[in-house]
Amino acid sequence: DTEVTQTPKHLVMGMTNKKSLKCEQHMGHRAMYWYKQKAKKPPELMFVYSYEKLSINESVPSRFSPECPNSSLLNLHLHALQPEDSALYLCASSQPREAGTEAFFGQGTRLTVV
Amino acid sequence: AQKITQTQPGMFVQEKEAVTLDCTYDTSDQSYGLFWYKQPSSGEMIFLIYQGSYDEQNATEGRYSLNFQKARKSANLVISASQLGDSAMYFCAMREVLTGGFKTIFGAGTRLFVKA
Repeated sequence: DTEVTQTPKHLVMGMTNKKSLKCEQHMGHRAMYWYKQKAKKPPELMFVYSYEKLSINESVPSRFSPECPNSSLLNLHLHALQPEDSALYLCASSQPREAGTEAFFGQGTRLTVV
Repeated sequence: AQKITQTQPGMFVQEKEAVTLDCTYDTSDQSYGLFWYKQPSSGEMIFLIYQGSYDEQNATEGRYSLNFQKARKSANLVISASQLGDSAMYFCAMREVLTGGFKTIFGAGTRLFVKA
């Protein structure tokens, strides 16, 4: 099983809403990632969890709050987002200590903030 | 810091022909890995092929091969016998070591259009 599963696939939310994005993998990977991708741009790293602990935060605004409940699950809690936060949010996983191993990505959640 | 450069915003290829997507990189690391990902309009990033800096042979995976020229710091993707389903965005990438873990850094991408 080389799948990373993200839910929901599409999300429309208002600027006052609270919502969560979910990501799940069963490959035994101990590093999980959130990326943000704007249209026609490459993905940009937001957060890295290594062994269920937040290890990298790329100066992401606090309206994005990640959570890693266990080694298979990764959440991204959203609150008071802005329209410019509309993007494709990609989750990925990999082995944490090997630079030469690929990261597996999910299909992403297309988020629209209205 | 590492950097990936893809200079072809868009490429056209006739179905069943081969196409080369260019990628150059910059790194001060002695050991590194290079990746290519395919992103269809559905959004998923699909891993295609990997080349390690110490690998003596160019990587191949089915119709995909990586033309690795270490001295020139280039890692071009060659797709043979193009198919309509190959139409997608293609990203060249490297894993960068940060305090606390790794991150994948991507080039700007090349949009490939396969014509029937």
